[in-house]
Amino acid sequence: DAGITQSPRHKVTETGTPVTLRCHQTENHRYMYWYRQDPGHGLRLIHYSYGVKDTDKGEVSDGYSVSRSKTEDFLLTLESATSSQTSVYFCAISAGGPSGNTIYFGEGSWLTVV
Amino acid sequence: AQSVTQLGSHVSVSEGALVLLRCNYSSSVPPYLFWYVQYPNQGLQLLLKYTSAATLVKGINGFEAEFKKSETSFHLTKPSAHMSDAAEYFCAVSEGGGSNYKLTFGKGTLLTVNP
Repeated sequence: DAGITQSPRHKVTETGTPVTLRCHQTENHRYMYWYRQDPGHGLRLIHYSYGVKDTDKGEVSDGYSVSRSKTEDFLLTLESATSSQTSVYFCAISAGGPSGNTIYFGEGSWLTVV
Repeated sequence: AQSVTQLGSHVSVSEGALVLLRCNYSSSVPPYLFWYVQYPNQGLQLLLKYTSAATLVKGINGFEAEFKKSETSFHLTKPSAHMSDAAEYFCAVSEGGGSNYKLTFGKGTLLTVNP
């Protein structure tokens, strides 16, 4: 357990509405990530953060924005949700250990855009 | 750019049989390689990782993987499958080392274990 909590875990929203997913961590990790998972695509990196107010784009960042105003929270926002953004979203953190850093994932947020 | 190819989107084995899940990678620098497992409706759990130390890496639940640079492969094996191994498995590569791993994932292999 890497102390990652995602909310909401499940959400249904309408096309064109804004949606924010929250990732909360309790262990003060510097690096945080948002991935989306789609059948046949594996997981793809949306955005990541390397510190408070320090973020960068990943492979599939179009249509998404992020914010990190506190170490423990990393927010993913869909400004105007589209059906193509129906997906499972995973937050992850990079945590150190005896054999170096490892990426740990949260339990996921299921988002359906209708 | 880094990439991962998992050969076989679905692998079916009998309980007690060898499990072999194939992963080939492409990377312009020495890679860091990972295998994750995902059970239904759950997040991803790390099975094992390669970070340029020993080429044979042992992980949890009896799994191991061997890094073969000449073949650009990192195949996952387990000598004897158990029903509880049924899950989806993902191979991932990162060219970034240190603390900031930006993982590129394969498309996944669904493992079915038959009694």
